Amino acid sequence: EPEVTQTPSHQVTQMGQEVILRCVPISNHLYFYWYRQILGQKVEFLVSFYNNEISEKSEIFDDQFSVERPDGSNFTLKIRSTKLEDSAMYFCAGQGATNEKLFFGSGTQLSVL
Amino acid sequence: GESVGLHLPTLSVQEGDNSIINCAYSNSASDYFIWYKQESGKGPQFIIDIRSNMDKRQGQRVTVLLNKTVKHLSLQIAATQPGDSAVYFCAEFYSSYKLIFGSGTRLLVRP
Repeated sequence: EPEVTQTPSHQVTQMGQEVILRCVPISNHLYFYWYRQILGQKVEFLVSFYNNEISEKSEIFDDQFSVERPDGSNFTLKIRSTKLEDSAMYFCAGQGATNEKLFFGSGTQLSVL
Repeated sequence: GESVGLHLPTLSVQEGDNSIINCAYSNSASDYFIWYKQESGKGPQFIIDIRSNMDKRQGQRVTVLLNKTVKHLSLQIAATQPGDSAVYFCAEFYSSYKLIFGSGTRLLVRP
C-alpha cells in the first residue's frame, strides 16, 4: 500500500536555526497538508497546498513558516528561525481529491533546544 | 469559531465489550467527517468516514453515527480488542482545504 514518507524521523536544532522537514506524498495525490502535534495535545492544522500555492493556512503558520514542492515529488516545510515552542511532531498528509480522506505520514519529531 | 471537541478524554473498556467514543462539532456547514486512530509515536490512521447525507456508516467492527441536528458524531467499536488501544480523533472538513481535528479520546482496553 502506498505510504506518505517523512524524513527525518527526529530533528534536533538550536533555537534560531532554520529547519526543513521533508515529505514524499503518495504519487497520485494532488493536495498536501502540514499539521503539528504538541505532546499530548490534538493535531493542529498548519497549511494546505494545491497547484503550487497555499490554499489555506492557520494562525500558527506565520512568516517564519513556508512550504514548497520544489521538484514535483517532495513537499517541504521550512521554519526560518525556530523557537522553543516550535517543538512538536510535524505530520505531512496528502489527498487525492478534495473532500476525500487524508493520508498521513508517521511524522517528524522536532526538538528545539 | 472552529471547534471539534470530545466529551471524554479517556475511555476504559473491557476486552470484548463495545466502545463508544463521542464528538461534537461546531460548524453546521461541514459536510464530511473522518475518524482517525493514533497509536503512540505514529501518524493518524484513517478508520472510517461519513458524509452529511448519511446518518450511519459501517465498516469492519466500526460504525460511525452522525446526528446533524445536534452536531454530534460517534464512533462505535464492536468487540474491542487490545489492539484498539489508542487515541481516537474525530475530524471535520471545515472547508474544502482544511481538516480540523478534535481534542482526542484515549481508549484503554483492559484484558
